[in-house]
Amino acid sequence: KQEVTQIPAALSVPEGENLVLNCSFTDSAIYNLQWFRQDPGKGLTSLLLIQSSQREQTSGRLNASLDKSSGRSTLYIAASQPGDSATYLCAVRRVINTGANSKLTFGKGITLSVRP
Amino acid sequence: DAGVIQSPRHEVTEMGQEVTLRCKPISGHDYLFWYRQTMMRGLELLIYFNNNVPIDDSGMPEDRFSAKMPNASFSTLKIQPSEPRDSAVYFCASSLDSPYNEQFFGPGTRLTVL
Repeated sequence: KQEVTQIPAALSVPEGENLVLNCSFTDSAIYNLQWFRQDPGKGLTSLLLIQSSQREQTSGRLNASLDKSSGRSTLYIAASQPGDSATYLCAVRRVINTGANSKLTFGKGITLSVRP
Repeated sequence: DAGVIQSPRHEVTEMGQEVTLRCKPISGHDYLFWYRQTMMRGLELLIYFNNNVPIDDSGMPEDRFSAKMPNASFSTLKIQPSEPRDSAVYFCASSLDSPYNEQFFGPGTRLTVL
């Protein structure tokens, strides 16, 4: 059974700092990995989607990397801003066989607070 | 596009009552997903549909939960009878063409069962 872990559960940093959020998963047979942002009381916003054949994806100040063999992904946020404060979740989708499901398995998220 | 729309945004009910949550996916999306989020268990997939047909309902916790998708623009998740342990935030999401594509989430319905 796939398990996704995100440690620490919460992180507080001063504005301007570059930071790395970690995600680990137990089963390396994944199809892709997705990073989401969740603001309080809101739904999830997709940030980056990395296919299993890719090593990284970039969008603006965000860079996500994937190392399937070690079961790890990182989300790098450059020059953090107070507006980056939110909960960041990673989710993995396993390799699909005919008739199987395509369930996304989520970590519990890292709540980030960027102090002005 | 308005994105995925869910209603109500908040629901407070008493144990034993029937609860119906509603979702309108993004127009043209073929896949619709229902998730539940709790502090203890995080986000869990309950069920998903492809072209209005349920594909995998293995995440539905028990027979008290049922989901339908009568057409491409509407889905419901029903809990009958509701119990306090059903209190959670329920999200609906949709995706285009494939369940492997990016999923777009609605704002969620926060359910409290007293």
